[in-house]
Amino acid sequence: GESVGLHLPTLSVQEGDNSIINCAYSNSASDYFIWYKQESGKGPQFIIDIRSNMDKRQGQRVTVLLNKTVKHLSLQIAATQPGDSAVYFCAERGSGGYQKVTFGTGTKLQVIP
Amino acid sequence: DVKVTQSSRYLVKRTGEKVFLECVQDMDHENMFWYRQDPGLGLRLIYFSYDVKMKEKGDIPEGYSVSREKKERFSLILESASTNQTSMYLCASSFLGREQFFGPGTRLTVL
Repeated sequence: GESVGLHLPTLSVQEGDNSIINCAYSNSASDYFIWYKQESGKGPQFIIDIRSNMDKRQGQRVTVLLNKTVKHLSLQIAATQPGDSAVYFCAERGSGGYQKVTFGTGTKLQVIP
Repeated sequence: DVKVTQSSRYLVKRTGEKVFLECVQDMDHENMFWYRQDPGLGLRLIYFSYDVKMKEKGDIPEGYSVSREKKERFSLILESASTNQTSMYLCASSFLGREQFFGPGTRLTVL
């Protein structure tokens, strides 16, 4: 909701520039990673995912990079638009069993027109 | 498109009331989840269910219970609402551990 963006790190980007949102994950055994976008007043929305056997995956205007060595995930948004303004969460899923998903606290992206 | 619906967008209840939050998904997903979202704390898992009549505690189950009598429906119950349960509640569903699809959320205020 509207209060989701409070207390979060904020990335301000000029419209048309590329955005890079970073995420450090904690579990070296995680085998699946997801990026979500949450606009004000809405539930999180799936953007893109990547499995641990990949380093890079591209979607429409978005690219996810995975560096397992340093347990780092990034989301790149090309030609950022005002509609990209939102809170972005990464999520990691542990391997085996139920495969619990752990969400990061999020980064707020502000696009400056 | 997957659709996850929640019974209410906004809800105001009084301390001590029993509260039911309903969630329905239309994609035949096995897994369903209830989270609460608070500023600075992110999404915290309350309960999840991986099949009808099955439930597992998440990270913060105290003060909550759940019910899953049908595959498409997962209910969150606050037996006796307290002010510290004021929050945004998000329901999600997924297929076999894949990405979760979220509902729009219910903003619950307990007075």
